[in-house]
Amino acid sequence: QKEVEQNSGPLSVPEGAIASLNCTYSDRGSQSFFWYRQYSGKSPELIMSIYSNGDKEDGRFTAQLNKASQYVSLLIRDSQPSDSATYLCAVNSYQTGANNLFFGTGTRLTVIP
Amino acid sequence: EAGVAQSPRYKIIEKRQSVAFWCNPISGHATLYWYQQILGQGPKLLIQFQNNGVVDDSQLPKDRFSAERLKGVDSTLKIQPAKLEDSAVYLCASSKPSYNEQFFGPGTRLTVL
Repeated sequence: QKEVEQNSGPLSVPEGAIASLNCTYSDRGSQSFFWYRQYSGKSPELIMSIYSNGDKEDGRFTAQLNKASQYVSLLIRDSQPSDSATYLCAVNSYQTGANNLFFGTGTRLTVIP
Repeated sequence: EAGVAQSPRYKIIEKRQSVAFWCNPISGHATLYWYQQILGQGPKLLIQFQNNGVVDDSQLPKDRFSAERLKGVDSTLKIQPAKLEDSAVYLCASSKPSYNEQFFGPGTRLTVL
């Protein structure tokens, strides 16, 4: 079982719609959860972090965490063509004995003008 | 605040040759990470340093990969000899101690022919 799983997509939404990205993780001891945005040919950029159950909002982005279900999601409201990118979910784990991040394979989002 | 610096940005080598990558983390970030990102996948941790000590190198292919961070600031990652499957983007990231929020450099795209 992979530590972090995401639908690879592609996910296509029209401009102005809400994009919903999902992620599940395997380690029940995980405490830190992150969403990174990666444009084609670029490096990952941290856009959201969440540590507690519930919702965390930052501008058009909302991260949602449900530790009981081992589920993290990212909602992007009023999607813009500039949001077209791959979104990586990252979760911390001590599986290697150290506190490290494990990344999903990413979900590719395309926002259609 | 300056971000994570990496060089070179691109490197093309023949298989069995050696290559080295350099990283300078964000000022004040004691923790430094090297990741390998193969096309279509999420970043995979190779090694984590805390200051100049190795915290986790369990996923580093030690028969051909080596890394050092002698003065607790910048770091080098070396591959010797390179194989075709080493073709990937090598990402350096840094974080403050005890924080999982990691910030990535621009990466080095390695092509092994």
